[in-house]
Amino acid sequence: QSVLTQPPSASGSPGQRVTTSCSGSFSNIGRNIVNWYQQLPGTAPKLLIYDENQRPSGVPDRFSASKSGTSASLAISGLQSEDEAEYYCAVWDDSLNGYVFGPGTKVTVL
Amino acid sequence: EEQLLESGGGLVQPGGSLRLSCTVSGFTLGSFAMTWVRQAPGKGLEWVSANSGSGGSAYYANSVKGRFTISRDNSKSTLYLQMNSLRVEDTALYYCAKIPGNYDFWRGPVSWGQGTLVTVSS
Repeated sequence: QSVLTQPPSASGSPGQRVTTSCSGSFSNIGRNIVNWYQQLPGTAPKLLIYDENQRPSGVPDRFSASKSGTSASLAISGLQSEDEAEYYCAVWDDSLNGYVFGPGTKVTVL
Repeated sequence: EEQLLESGGGLVQPGGSLRLSCTVSGFTLGSFAMTWVRQAPGKGLEWVSANSGSGGSAYYANSVKGRFTISRDNSKSTLYLQMNSLRVEDTALYYCAKIPGNYDFWRGPVSWGQGTLVTVSS
């Protein structure tokens, strides 16, 4: 069981906006920065968002993220077929003294 | 271009040992903390361990503490994960990844290798 909670799935039609959440606690999201990772089928994870709302070079601005208190969220606007993937939130946990990943949200493009 | 290449995976019996390697290029290993993350077949990502640029500081997930040891040889640009007393539940694809700072474990991994598969089975 992860200390972070993510909905197992989310879906939308091409062009729509999809959001997914990541819920934690004070010892992790409440005190540390959240990253988001995208994992396409059969590939290694890729950093999608760092420092809570920053996009690495090459990541489209359709992807955005935010954090409030002990929860974070990822939004994908203008959904495209190539966005179909698993999305993981992740953060350092001060109580565990380790990095934790959420269980992941599978985003499906209808 | 940064590259991380894992090796050393394979089939091992329960109770056995295995040492994974991660050879990097395109950056100076000693300037960055590094981490191992694993993914069991069909499952999510699980953080395993991390160490600082010098190797002097290390952290472990409770699930591997006392059995796995992370180390590095910066002169060889190589990170290691020594895995002892392996269990069936350690079966996974093991990724190494770079952390953007010498001690900034809290910033999380930014660049990842392609992984090496470890299968623990009798």
